[in-house]
Amino acid sequence: DAKTTQPNSMESNEEEPVHLPCNHSTISGTDYIHWYRQLPSQGPEYVIHGLTSNVNNRMASLAIAEDRKSSTLILHRATLRDAAVYYCILRDVGGSEKLVFGKGTKLTVNP
Amino acid sequence: GAVVSQHPSWVICKSGTSVKIECRSLDFQATTMFWYRQFPKQSLMLMATSNEGSKATYEQGVEKDKFLINHASLTLSTLTVTSAHPEDSSFYICSATREQGVHEQYFGPGTRLTVT
Repeated sequence: DAKTTQPNSMESNEEEPVHLPCNHSTISGTDYIHWYRQLPSQGPEYVIHGLTSNVNNRMASLAIAEDRKSSTLILHRATLRDAAVYYCILRDVGGSEKLVFGKGTKLTVNP
Repeated sequence: GAVVSQHPSWVICKSGTSVKIECRSLDFQATTMFWYRQFPKQSLMLMATSNEGSKATYEQGVEKDKFLINHASLTLSTLTVTSAHPEDSSFYICSATREQGVHEQYFGPGTRLTVT
């Protein structure tokens, strides 16, 4: 599976936007970019995924660079409940459905 | 939304005993289920992939005789940690996919295993 690189940690203030970066310079043409997050002592939850175009859903937006070598998860207004570890994961749509988790980014939201 | 449950949510057992953890998809039939292990302050590590009615596929380095996986139905997979030792103490998490080609995986809340 292609590797992703994320900052170990980031901090944000409540009600401000948060931009979580992910580098995936070895991404292949059939790799989808997935984001999951894990709140403390819970299982991960799906956030968003995309292939080439930017994506929006009720939780977040995903901005994908034109060359697809990086992407950014955008939380438009961070809340205390968004404090979690965010994982950026590549998955080949034609390959196994398994997810390979990296270390992720621990997001701290300050009140 | 799709819900995955795990039972028990936590368990304490003595060294040398076996522990069974259940993973259920409550409102959908899961074509594939996955088992992960997570040590404190570390990321999730995939242990195995299981499909209903067939043998699980274990990741490299995971002992299949120690971590027995049974996927008897489209809504239930079990992980049995046999002859547990303190180093098996961890957070065990399962996930499920609703159908092939669907991107989203649904994760259970996890089971905290402590072996004394």
